[in-house]
Amino acid sequence: SAVISQKPSRDICQRGTSLTIQCQVDSQVTMMFWYRQQPGQSLTLIATANQGSEATYESGFVIDKFPISRPNLTFSTLTVSNMSPEDSSIYLCSVDRRGEGQETQYFGPGTRLLVL
Amino acid sequence: GEDVEQSLFLSVREGDSSVINCTYTDSSSTYLYWYKQEPGAGLQLLTYIFSNMDMKQDQRLTVLLNKKDKHLSLRIADTQTGDSAIYFCAERYPGGYQKVTFGTGTKLQVIP
Repeated sequence: SAVISQKPSRDICQRGTSLTIQCQVDSQVTMMFWYRQQPGQSLTLIATANQGSEATYESGFVIDKFPISRPNLTFSTLTVSNMSPEDSSIYLCSVDRRGEGQETQYFGPGTRLLVL
Repeated sequence: GEDVEQSLFLSVREGDSSVINCTYTDSSSTYLYWYKQEPGAGLQLLTYIFSNMDMKQDQRLTVLLNKKDKHLSLRIADTQTGDSAIYFCAERYPGGYQKVTFGTGTKLQVIP
């Protein structure tokens, strides 16, 4: 498995401001993923973050709104920029674990964001 | 296509078995997963099955995979109140970074 921590665990922010979410993993991983879970909804992949290269964004998500950093193999940040109430969601980071005949994805506890 | 669908809600009595169903559209899936999300918490990986398997059992959990019908199910035996949560199925696609797509989630309510 993987131990993943996120900071902050929750925040209440004002419209127009930005919030940076941190994700720390207990071991080195190649790929880290950022998901959004809007209230009552499933998970939607925002982007994939590889160390040493630019993040790959999914359709509907852009770098200007969700800039991502991946400075090393155990850490990543996601910034939610110029926030609006529609950005109120849970933001989750995750990592892949491969080996011993399995490929599994583990998640952090999430960051609960409320934008007023 | 990358649609993964689940029924929204399931209610069972404590001690009964729960069966949560999931249908998917991409026959090239490599792994299929079940995750549990308790209120206010992140996603907990419960179990997974490789696409060349039909069944996997892990204590109270049984996963059945019908590749022909693209149907995945999770059976929870002797359901407890602590099993109340939202359950997500997810499938992994081959190629590239092997994207994982999540289902819509099924809210399981266990009645004491």
